[in-house]
Amino acid sequence: QQKVQQSPESLSVPEGGMASLNCTSSDRNFQYFWWYRQHSGEGPKALMSIFSDGDKKEGRFTAHLNKASLHVSLHIRDSQPSDSALYFCAASEPGTGGYKVVFGSGTRLLVSP
Amino acid sequence: DMKVTQMPRYLIKRMGENVLLECGQDMSHETMYWYRQDPGLGLQLIYISYDVDSNSEGDIPKGYRVSRKKREHFSLILDSAKTNQTSVYFCASSFGTVNTEVFFGKGTRLTVV
Repeated sequence: QQKVQQSPESLSVPEGGMASLNCTSSDRNFQYFWWYRQHSGEGPKALMSIFSDGDKKEGRFTAHLNKASLHVSLHIRDSQPSDSALYFCAASEPGTGGYKVVFGSGTRLLVSP
Repeated sequence: DMKVTQMPRYLIKRMGENVLLECGQDMSHETMYWYRQDPGLGLQLIYISYDVDSNSEGDIPKGYRVSRKKREHFSLILDSAKTNQTSVYFCASSFGTVNTEVFFGKGTRLTVV
């Protein structure tokens, strides 16, 4: 079982709509979460981090973290076609020589004009 | 300029040939990663390096080995490539802290025929 699970696998929203992506961890060692976005043909790039319970807003993007339930979500309001991409949730866990980042399997978002 | 550089970007190899994928970063990051990405499987960690000559297996190390002799360079080697190693390979780097952002290269698309 993956330690970071994302849902849904794919999501389609109209331009201007709200997209909601979910991420659940099965490991209480995970306390620091990131969202990454990958456009076709590129490597993933960090979108935003969330380390504390509650909401964190950056422009049209809002992340929410509930550490008690190990649930993280990303909400994109006023979605644009340029938001169409693969979104990954990621968390850090202790490794043998430091920390390593574990990624979920991703949610593919399609925003249609 | 914060950058992770991967070479080559595209590569076609015959089954049984050796493959060398190279990666460099200019951010003095301690930690470097090699991932492979296949459709529907997200980012699978092959190897992680916590610093020079401090390498650890990831989730799918079989058939791969790595080398890190300088902090800024991390190589992935496939000895006797197999067709099921056809994939997109991403190198990434980060600081070694729990809340760190991971920076990715643009990827190498490897086809083994």
